[in-house]
Amino acid sequence: QQQVKQSPQSLIVQKGGISIINCAYENTAFDYFPWYQQFPGKGPALLIAIRPDVSEKKEGRFTISFNKSAKQFSLHIMDSQPGDSATYFCAATYDRGSTLGRLYFGRGTQLTVWP
Amino acid sequence: DSGVTQTPKHLITATGQRVTLRCSPRSGDLSVYWYQQSLDQGLQFLIQYYNGEERAKGNILERFSAQQFPDLHSELNLSSLELGDSALYFCASSLTWGSNYGYTFGSGTRLTVV
Repeated sequence: QQQVKQSPQSLIVQKGGISIINCAYENTAFDYFPWYQQFPGKGPALLIAIRPDVSEKKEGRFTISFNKSAKQFSLHIMDSQPGDSATYFCAATYDRGSTLGRLYFGRGTQLTVWP
Repeated sequence: DSGVTQTPKHLITATGQRVTLRCSPRSGDLSVYWYQQSLDQGLQFLIQYYNGEERAKGNILERFSAQQFPDLHSELNLSSLELGDSALYFCASSLTWGSNYGYTFGSGTRLTVV
């Protein structure tokens, strides 16, 4: 079963616009939520991550919003640029038991930013 | 360059064959993870090794096996290959067991089974 659900599957945004990608999870034991960015022919690269003790984390143009009660988190890309065109994955994990370090990924969102 | 090296980059093989994918982790990283990326399943965790020992297993088929050697490089062995095994296989490494920091992916091996 998909432990992390991600939407939308694809997103087209104009340059300078805001890109928003949403994720939801069921397992309340998750305590670390990273976002990965993947360009064609490359592996996923860590973009930004958050722990559930904060509701928002910002790094440059990228912001994660986290809603613990709703079990949802989202990535906002401000002032989207053509260079941001990539596939974005949300993920979740927890530091315990036999699954230490294992990442549960969403299905990905293909973002296209038009110039 | 992420520091995680995977070879080969591309592999084309026939059904029923066996292949070995290799991963060299980032310098100093002790943990290696293998993931499979396919269109229908997305990114799926296969197996994790830490300092030579298996630590966690995901939905890895019995036809697949892996190991981590004393020099910390890892190999993923896929046997009796089927068309459905065609996918991108990624290796990732991290400093310690269960570390959520510095979880770095390689560029992957694209396996095509014909």
